[in-house]
Amino acid sequence: DAKTTQPPSMDCAEGRAANLPCNHSTISGNEYVYWYRQIHSQGPQYIIHGLKNNETNEMASLIITEDRKSSTLILPHATLRDTAVYYCIVRVGVNTDKLIFGTGTRLQVFP
Amino acid sequence: GAGVSQSPRYKVAKRGQDVALRCDPISGHVSLFWYQQALGQGPEFLTYFQNEAQLDKSGLPSDRFFAERPEGSVSTLKIQRTQQEDSAVYLCASNLGPNQPQHFGDGTRLSIL
Repeated sequence: DAKTTQPPSMDCAEGRAANLPCNHSTISGNEYVYWYRQIHSQGPQYIIHGLKNNETNEMASLIITEDRKSSTLILPHATLRDTAVYYCIVRVGVNTDKLIFGTGTRLQVFP
Repeated sequence: GAGVSQSPRYKVAKRGQDVALRCDPISGHVSLFWYQQALGQGPEFLTYFQNEAQLDKSGLPSDRFFAERPEGSVSTLKIQRTQQEDSAVYLCASNLGPNQPQHFGDGTRLSIL
């Protein structure tokens, strides 16, 4: 199963872009990269996922390097409500959909 | 629309008691997952259902933990003879099927005294 590595914490000023990195150097060709976040006292919230192409939705953008060994989640205009723990996950398994969470990156957005 | 609903939101039990935690997935979602989250840690997988079939229970920590989804919709996670180390937030998630995003409930916070 591919492992992910994320910095334990990051800060970002409100209104600025938050760029959260993730390393997944052992990812295999058919594994997707998923991003979830967890705001205090809530369940994890799906943000975005991708295979090899860059992806964008109303919440964020996902940039995956050409060799797929790393990716960056971009929140273009961070707000205080974006303060959360962000998890980068490589979907594991062929016959199961279970998610393997690491310890994530704690993003603190400050005024 | 309605999301994943879990009840109770909080549960306090004495060591040795049995507890039952309920999960109502999003209507039409085929797959259902249970995770356990200890304080300060990421969620850890417990078990997975596709419809009523329990396809993976590799994460259940002991035979005191039992999960069921008899009609392929609502699921119950039961913990027998609770221990203090069972104190955690228990999260339920559902999705439409393989490679689809999982949608999580807000969990049940279980405290064993």
